[in-house]
Formats: sequence, C-alpha cells, structure tokens
Amino acid sequence: GAGVSQSPSNKVTEKGKDVELRCDPISGHTALYWYRQSLGQGLEFLIYFQGNSAPDKSGLPSDRFSAERTGGSVSTLTIQRTQQEDSAVYLCASSESRVLLGGYTFGSGTRLTVV
Amino acid sequence: DQQVKQNSPSLSVQEGRISILNCDYTNSMFDYFLWYKKYPAEGPTFLISISSIKDKNEDGRFTVFLNKSAKHLSLHIVPSQPGDSAVYFCAASGAGNTGKLIFGQGTTLQVKP
Repeated sequence: GAGVSQSPSNKVTEKGKDVELRCDPISGHTALYWYRQSLGQGLEFLIYFQGNSAPDKSGLPSDRFSAERTGGSVSTLTIQRTQQEDSAVYLCASSESRVLLGGYTFGSGTRLTVV
Repeated sequence: DQQVKQNSPSLSVQEGRISILNCDYTNSMFDYFLWYKKYPAEGPTFLISISSIKDKNEDGRFTVFLNKSAKHLSLHIVPSQPGDSAVYFCAASGAGNTGKLIFGQGTTLQVKP
C-alpha cells in the first residue's frame, strides 16, 4: 500500500480482556516498529522487527505484551489482560532498512481505551 | 531515565517569525538525530535529520543545529506559518544508526496568524 495502515483506528475494551492491534507496513519495508504514546507523554519504544533477525523486544512493558510479524509483512501487537494504564495510542512504523537516512513512516495509530 | 528531553511543552510564535524548538540528550553514543511533526489524529511525519558528524542541516524553511559538546539540538523554522502548528518530537538513534529511536516528550508549537 501507499502508507502504513493500522487497524482498528479506535478500540474500547474492558479491563481484563485481550486485544489485538494490526499493522500493515509499506510494501518492501524490511523494518517494522511499534511505539505507544500515552496521554501527555512522548513516544515510547515497544518492539522492533528487522528482516529475519530476532526482534528487539526491550521496550515491551510487561509479559502481557507480545508481537509477531508474519511473513516479514503484517504485524500484530497483542495485549493480554488489559489494564487501564495500557490506554494509549499505539503507533506502528516501517522503514526500508535499519539505516534511518530518512526516518521511518508511521501509521495513524490505534487509540486504545481500557475501561 | 529520560535520555531525550524536550523541556518546553509548548511554544507560541507569530506568523513570519522564527520558531526555535530545543532538545537535550544525555547519551553521548547517540549518533543520529531526527525531528518529527505530528498533527492531531495522525501519525508523526519525518521532518529533518542530522548525523553526529555534522553540526547543521538545512531543508527549506527548516534547519537543525547540533551541538555535541552541549548534547543539544534545535530546530529552527523560518519563517513560521500557521500550518506549522503541530507537536514536534525530537528523536535520537544509538550507535550504528540502528532502527530504534528514543523520542522526547514533544513540544506543541502554535503559530498565530
């Protein structure tokens, strides 16, 4: 596609439920990133996929968070047993390679609200 | 520990004047710096970048300055336009310019007509 696509754009869930957030990166981009932005905060790194390498999971805040990237394309971020502090905008981005000559392209994000 | 800091949460300038957004970092191993702009309900968009081997990079109305000794960078917008009103994030990449970026908290710029 022309840009990074994320779905759903908005998600309201009850505390304790599991949610899945989806990201379709730009075709041909080998690197894919997940960030989140909580209210009034900057962008917090979550996880990074680069080609067939093992992902960098160093930013995942707890073991309730996991992500996978199937076939080097679409990625799913899963949050189990959601808590109110998980409420944030979850942003996905992709880039052609790990070398950030031109930054990376973000999607519009998924706004997650845990009630 | 906040490795990238934007100490001014907001900035207001008059149209046509210069906007200066500041960013400080603590990790001397950062070697690549970027600025992103974000409008409400949209993802951040890449604006301009600078490598640590340079001290200035210019692209049209946007110039980024890097002062490595002070671990400080700034984004200058001249002249400022109402359409520049957005949240601006600075970001830094670690040694080897790998993909992971560390972002600041953002500065909301308002350009008044």
